[in-house]
Amino acid sequence: GAVVSQHPSRVICKSGTSVKIECRSLDFQATTMFWYRQFPKQSLMLMATSNEGSKATYEQGVEKDKFLINHASLTLSTLTVTSAHPEDSSFYICSASVTNYGYTFGSGTRLTVV
Amino acid sequence: DAKTTQPTSMDCAEGRAANLPCNHSTISGNEYVYWYRQIHSQGPQYIIHGLKNNETNEMASLIITEDRKSSTLILPHATLRDTAVYYCIVRVEGYSTLTFGKGTMLLVSP
Repeated sequence: GAVVSQHPSRVICKSGTSVKIECRSLDFQATTMFWYRQFPKQSLMLMATSNEGSKATYEQGVEKDKFLINHASLTLSTLTVTSAHPEDSSFYICSASVTNYGYTFGSGTRLTVV
Repeated sequence: DAKTTQPTSMDCAEGRAANLPCNHSTISGNEYVYWYRQIHSQGPQYIIHGLKNNETNEMASLIITEDRKSSTLILPHATLRDTAVYYCIVRVEGYSTLTFGKGTMLLVSP
């Protein structure tokens, strides 16, 4: 139980375009989801906390206008990287907090901006 | 959340026990010790967590010292698929976020 499905697993986009990443909780309702970013050989860095029905909370240094987060339902949160540039190339991972279970993570999305 | 210190890397022979240490000398009384692992290019996977008692599940055992300033994750019979980065995280249960350090890169070799 407590599975988070993340899509796409890999995406390549041209510089200046936008990319949407979806994170779905398959067998539970997630009022709160988290978005992380991981650069090569580095640890996961929390980008933002996504709350269902309200605005996301961004960590310091993360541009909210560039990384748009929508959490319109209890089972879906999306991260849109707007006007992507090569420096946005990274591994993006979503996570959800599950009562009495802890945290469960998606499988990640490898974004490459060319 | 209390800061943790882990070795950068460790090696283990397949079939042997892997013992991964973690120091958390500033841990508070209401903070739990969590262990996650991340296999290359995948999302982190929950392994185990505990407060002060030793814990065991189908994946691993967690040994927490009596003063709670350190802990050890034990994989009793490591396999090649256990090669991953292992993260020790200390946090208050119910608090909203997980903060990842650099973890320990465990390499299991044949």
